[in-house]
Amino acid sequence: SQTIHQWPATLVQPVGSPLSLECTVEGTSNPNLYWYRQAAGRGLQLLFYSVGIGQISSEVPQNLSASRPQDRQFILSSKKLLLSDSGFYLCAWSVGGFGEKLFFGSGTQLSVL
Amino acid sequence: GENVEQHPSTLSVQEGDSAVIKCTYSDSASNYFPWYKQELGKRPQLIIDIRSNVGEKKDQRIAVTLNKTAKHFSLHITETQPEDSAVYFCAASITDGNNRLAFGKGNQVVVIP
Repeated sequence: SQTIHQWPATLVQPVGSPLSLECTVEGTSNPNLYWYRQAAGRGLQLLFYSVGIGQISSEVPQNLSASRPQDRQFILSSKKLLLSDSGFYLCAWSVGGFGEKLFFGSGTQLSVL
Repeated sequence: GENVEQHPSTLSVQEGDSAVIKCTYSDSASNYFPWYKQELGKRPQLIIDIRSNVGEKKDQRIAVTLNKTAKHFSLHITETQPEDSAVYFCAASITDGNNRLAFGKGNQVVVIP
């Protein structure tokens, strides 16, 4: 069966520090991969998505970047964190078209202080 | 682009009663409509979905209905239980050739014992 791993679960970082969140998927090939952010009490904002190795699409301009070095690995990064980067970050995967059957990772609660 | 709106933002129901959450979407070409449930501090999980060639789908106590003409779809929860308390997100497929969903902002459902 397919599983998705996301780490770390919680992270407290000072403003201006770098960020690296990693997500891996097991049990499937060539998944669509996604990074979402959820601010406190708000909806799901799509940050990046990828339909293949090295292919990244950005939904909103921001202080973050994403990379997909391997088929089932998706990384979210920042060179210098801002206070506004705080939130709950969720990695997700799907294998259908139109982001169907989206499965989320357990999330990373990021606090930038 | 696709715009998805959910109503009401918060819904309180007595245990055993029914709950209905409605979503509207803007792109008449959207053809896939999932619902996700997110309990406090946890990941969103797919609970039911419907495609545009179907008007209604049921799974035990939950059902989704779709009105393509009016461009809205609804989640129905019958015989509500305390464990149904959560935030529910609706979504619609984005039809620009890329594999992703447009999410609503979420509804907080509170089941009062």
